[in-house]
Amino acid sequence: GQQLNQSPQSMFIQEGEDVSMNCTSSSIFNTWLWYKQDPGEGPVLLIALYKAGELTSNGRLTAQFGITRKDSFLNISASIPSDVGIYFCAGGGGATNKLIFGTGTLLAVQP
Amino acid sequence: GAGVSQSPRYKVTKRGQDVALRCDPISGHVSLYWYRQALGQGPEFLTYFNYEAQQDKSGLPNDRFSAERPEGSISTLTIQRTEQRDSAMYRCASSLGGSNQPQHFGDGTRLSIL
Repeated sequence: GQQLNQSPQSMFIQEGEDVSMNCTSSSIFNTWLWYKQDPGEGPVLLIALYKAGELTSNGRLTAQFGITRKDSFLNISASIPSDVGIYFCAGGGGATNKLIFGTGTLLAVQP
Repeated sequence: GAGVSQSPRYKVTKRGQDVALRCDPISGHVSLYWYRQALGQGPEFLTYFNYEAQQDKSGLPNDRFSAERPEGSISTLTIQRTEQRDSAMYRCASSLGGSNQPQHFGDGTRLSIL
């Protein structure tokens, strides 16, 4: 099935560092969402973006909806050990709002 | 309930058996989605309901897969004559009505076909 291109595939960082990940698509989306998934659990919504160019923050997380509507990035500042997990981008907002997910970014944070 | 509830949490069955997976969406959420997630990948869309109407089933892999939501609340995903390739995590998500509403996911049903 279709998946969006997400990079990097994995990141291993020290606690306190900032991280950035991005997602690109060949298709235009009306919404971009970022989810975090912990082992054994379902994806949890972090940030939802609804307008091209929109920049939204949620605590230490900041995400942007690309001007072309074909990309988005997520930044995490001052990482902490509980940031560990897999981060997924997802594009949606069509007639049925079905989500197309990215390939995921595995984040590991060394205390 | 407070979140999307799925049952069973784990299902192990022999090849050829039928299975039924249940999803109880967040109260008041009119939109319900089924996804399938393989290990190490993001969820992939299967089907979508708006109230009781199945409005998109383009992601269902073949005619062994079906879903229903007869009263516009709880939904059941049924897989007939299961095959080993059906083994995966099956996830349900729900949202308020509208094309831009964010989807909230349940913890999924891990299906293993022996």
